[in-house]
Amino acid sequence: DTEVTQTPKHLVMGMTNKKSLKCEQHMGHRAMYWYKQKAKKPPELMFVYSYEKLSINESVPSRFSPECPNSSLLNLHLHALQPEDSALYLCASSQDGTITYQETQYFGPGTRLLVL
Amino acid sequence: GQSLEQPSEVTAVEGAIVQINCTYQTSGFYGLSWYQQHDGGAPTFLSYNALDGLEETGRFSSFLSRSDSYGYLLLQELQMKDSASYFCAVLDTGRRALTFGSGTRLQVQP
Repeated sequence: DTEVTQTPKHLVMGMTNKKSLKCEQHMGHRAMYWYKQKAKKPPELMFVYSYEKLSINESVPSRFSPECPNSSLLNLHLHALQPEDSALYLCASSQDGTITYQETQYFGPGTRLLVL
Repeated sequence: GQSLEQPSEVTAVEGAIVQINCTYQTSGFYGLSWYQQHDGGAPTFLSYNALDGLEETGRFSSFLSRSDSYGYLLLQELQMKDSASYFCAVLDTGRRALTFGSGTRLQVQP
C-alpha cells in the first residue's frame, strides 16, 4: 500500500473560520510533510515532521498550525486565513526524512482550499 | 541555496519522443528526482538518478551528468495521458527537504 490519503478533498472557509486538514499513511513512514501549491507553480514546503517531531518550519505564518498525533497521522489546523492562502495543500510521506539518501516522497491527492 | 531551471512548456505529438531538461545549482548533492503531476492530481515519483548515466523505466528514462549539473527526463512513444507537469527536484541537505524546479508543462497533441 503506497497510499497517502487526505481529507477533505475540497474546503471553502471564511477568514474567521477554524478548520483542519487531515493526512494519513500506513506505509510505516516516519517523515511527513505539508506543502502548499499554487496554480502552475511547484509545491512549496511548509512543514516537515520526522519521527513525530517538527523538524522544519519554513517560516510559515502562525495561522497555520501543524500537528502530528502519531506516526500515521498529520493534521494542519487553519485559523484566520487570508484569501491569498487559497491553494492546493499537499501532504507527503517518506521513509524517515534522513539525508543519507534522497528518499522518494509519496504524495496525497491534496485538499483544494478556497478562503473567502 | 538551491536553484533548478526547467523549460516552462513543451509540446509534442503522440508517438514522438520528448526531452525535458533540468539544470541545477545546489550546495551538497545527493541526486536528481523527477515527479509527474496531472492537472488536479498529486505529484507522483517517476525516477531518481544518484549517479551519472541513464536510468530506464519503461517508456521513461532519466539522465544525469553531475559534472555539468544537468539532467533530463526522456519520454518515448508519447501518449495523450502523458500530458502533465513534470518537476525535477534535489535534496536540500541544509533543510533536509526536497526543492522542486519550476516545472515543465508537457502538452501531447494527437
